[in-house]
Amino acid sequence: NAGVTQTPKFRVLKTGQSMTLLCAQDMNHEYMYWYRQDPGMGLRLIHYSVGEGTTAKGEVPDGYNVSRLKKQNFLLGLESAAPSQTSVYFCASSYRTSGRTYNEQFFGPGTRLTVL
Amino acid sequence: AQKITQTQPGMFVQEKEAVTLDCTYDTSDQSYGLFWYKQPSSGEMIFLIYQGSYDEQNATEGRYSLNFQKARKSANLVISASQLGDSAMYFCAMRGSFYNTDKLIFGTGTRLQVFP
Repeated sequence: NAGVTQTPKFRVLKTGQSMTLLCAQDMNHEYMYWYRQDPGMGLRLIHYSVGEGTTAKGEVPDGYNVSRLKKQNFLLGLESAAPSQTSVYFCASSYRTSGRTYNEQFFGPGTRLTVL
Repeated sequence: AQKITQTQPGMFVQEKEAVTLDCTYDTSDQSYGLFWYKQPSSGEMIFLIYQGSYDEQNATEGRYSLNFQKARKSANLVISASQLGDSAMYFCAMRGSFYNTDKLIFGTGTRLQVFP
């Protein structure tokens, strides 16, 4: 199993350009997430999905859009990139919460994005 | 509001010694889960250990144990017999049915350095 994979690993954009980050998981997880990690701030949730065809906003959703057309894929889009979106982006997935047991999230390797 | 606090930006420990990384949390939910993740310099997020709020025993996974004190709202990670490979960032995180979102909230992390 490949686990959680992210494409691309690195990307440099100019202000105003658009791009899509692809996340794929082969563990049949219901839940998928996009985070960004900035120095000294830990990981912050951008958007998440609790199932195919559903998405919801997280803590810092502005400037991003997402889609989950297939259960195994979760796409993160930047329509008009800004320097403030320079960050490392992590995708994660997990099984649905079962009763009082909260399952761990499995993370992809990350995408380092620089916006000039 | 839910919050994770890690008050130690950096910690040093000598090889083979034990070290405790602090984590306090704030939530009004009765049901939640606490996680620790390790992030080495290569950047990936590695799940270490999980503690459920209803678990009566402290969680242990090999050299990792979680000192869970529910009344004090603390979930400290204890690493026994430190190894050079333990040098990394460590993140405490909480997951619960916060308004039915099942989100994972991270602290800002502690950088652990193990010296010979």
